[in-house]
Amino acid sequence: DTGVSQNPRHKITKRGQNVTFRCDPISEHNRLYWYRQTLGQGPEFLTYFQNEAQLEKSRLLSDRFSAERPKGSFSTLEIQRTEQGDSAMYLCASSLEFGGTNYGYTFGSGTRLTVV
Amino acid sequence: LAKTTQPISMDSYEGQEVNITCSHNNIATNDYITWYQQFPSQGPRFIIQGYKTKVTNEVASLFIPADRKSSTLSLPRVSLSDTAVYYCLVGDMGNTGFQKLVFGTGTRLLVSP
Repeated sequence: DTGVSQNPRHKITKRGQNVTFRCDPISEHNRLYWYRQTLGQGPEFLTYFQNEAQLEKSRLLSDRFSAERPKGSFSTLEIQRTEQGDSAMYLCASSLEFGGTNYGYTFGSGTRLTVV
Repeated sequence: LAKTTQPISMDSYEGQEVNITCSHNNIATNDYITWYQQFPSQGPRFIIQGYKTKVTNEVASLFIPADRKSSTLSLPRVSLSDTAVYYCLVGDMGNTGFQKLVFGTGTRLLVSP
C-alpha cells in the first residue's frame, strides 16, 4: 500500500466548468476526509465518510460541492460551476476508526485546483 | 475543540535545536496534543502526539507541562530538509465525536545553511 493517493495532482479549469477529483485511501481505512487549503492557511475540513456514509459536512461545502464514496472505497469530490474562489489545494485523508479511536490518520499529496 | 496559538514563523540554522511552543489554554481533560509537518505541495504528515510530560520518537520530542496549557515541539539538530510548516492541534483523539482535525495557520520554520 503506497498511502493515500489523489488524482490529478494539478487541475487548471475555466470558471464555470465542472471538475472532479479522486481519492484512493489506504485500503484498510474506513474513514475518509476531504480538506481544502488556501495559500498561507492551514487545511480546513470539508466533509468525511465512515465507509460509504457521509457523516458530516462543513458549512464551507456549498451546494456546488458534492462528495461520494461508493462502496466505501475511493471517493470523488466534484465542484460544479467553478469560481475563482475555489482555487485551492484539495486534500484527502483517511484513518481507521476502531473502538472509538482513530488510527493512522494519513493525508494524500492533494490536488491543486486553479480556476482561471 | 481547543484553540491553539503558535508563532507565525521561526528561523534557524543547520545543526541547531529548534523549539516551537504552542499555547492551548482551553485544553480539555480528554484532549491530546498532536503536531503535524507540512512541506510545500504535500499533505500534512503526523510527527508526534502526547497527553502529558514528555514524548520522544525518532523525529522529535514533545514537552507538555503539568497544567497542559502549552506544549513545545523540539526538533534536534535540524537540517535544511526540516524547512516546513508545523501545526499544533488539540483534540480528543479517543472520542468518535472527534471526526476532524482543526488546523491553525501553523509555524513556518526556515532552516538556513
